[in-house]
Amino acid sequence: NAGVMQNPRHLVRRRGQEARLRCSPMKGHSHVYWYRQLPEEGLKFMVYLQKENIIDESGMPKERFSAEFPKEGPSILRIQQVVRGDSAAYFCASSHAGTGTYEQYFGPGTRLTVT
Amino acid sequence: DQQVKQNSPSLSVQEGRISILNCDYTNSMFDYFLWYKKYPAEGPTFLISISSIKDKNEDGRFTVFLNKSAKHLSLHIVPSQPGDSAVYFCAAEGYGNKLVFGAGTILRVKS
Repeated sequence: NAGVMQNPRHLVRRRGQEARLRCSPMKGHSHVYWYRQLPEEGLKFMVYLQKENIIDESGMPKERFSAEFPKEGPSILRIQQVVRGDSAAYFCASSHAGTGTYEQYFGPGTRLTVT
Repeated sequence: DQQVKQNSPSLSVQEGRISILNCDYTNSMFDYFLWYKKYPAEGPTFLISISSIKDKNEDGRFTVFLNKSAKHLSLHIVPSQPGDSAVYFCAAEGYGNKLVFGAGTILRVKS
């Protein structure tokens, strides 16, 4: 039962380093979403991608953050020059299609700690 | 701006009784609502959903009720079991597929 896979599960980076978070969607899913959860808060939408396309990045910080979902391979969320405020749990979700009747299924998350 | 609100940070219920988790929203453009359950150090697990054209959806022990005029939905769990103890998130989806989450309610089911 191949659900949404994320790696690494835990990532520690020093301030100024780069963080790369990977997400492989469920088999048959072509839509990927990234969410961030800060301590004591709900999940906040960051970006919505299809293969080779960014559909909605309205939740992404304007600087240092980027995301891609290439034709082959996993989706990547990249954070350059990390700061302490980037410490959070980052969740990836996938769905069959982009209409409102398809549930999003989440991966286990990557917990990023910036020291 | 909190478009989806879960006003109860926590709820404690006795095993076998009903758990009722509440959620309010402000955006009338939301057309699909979902409940997720989350254990520590895991991703959210989809539980149940409801379209805005319905007022009730049932799946086993879980029932979601939607009151569009009040912009309110609730999740009923009957009977509650200790394994239901988790954080429950209400989420809403409108145009563009992104989910807007509430802050979550911690449910504790006591045996």
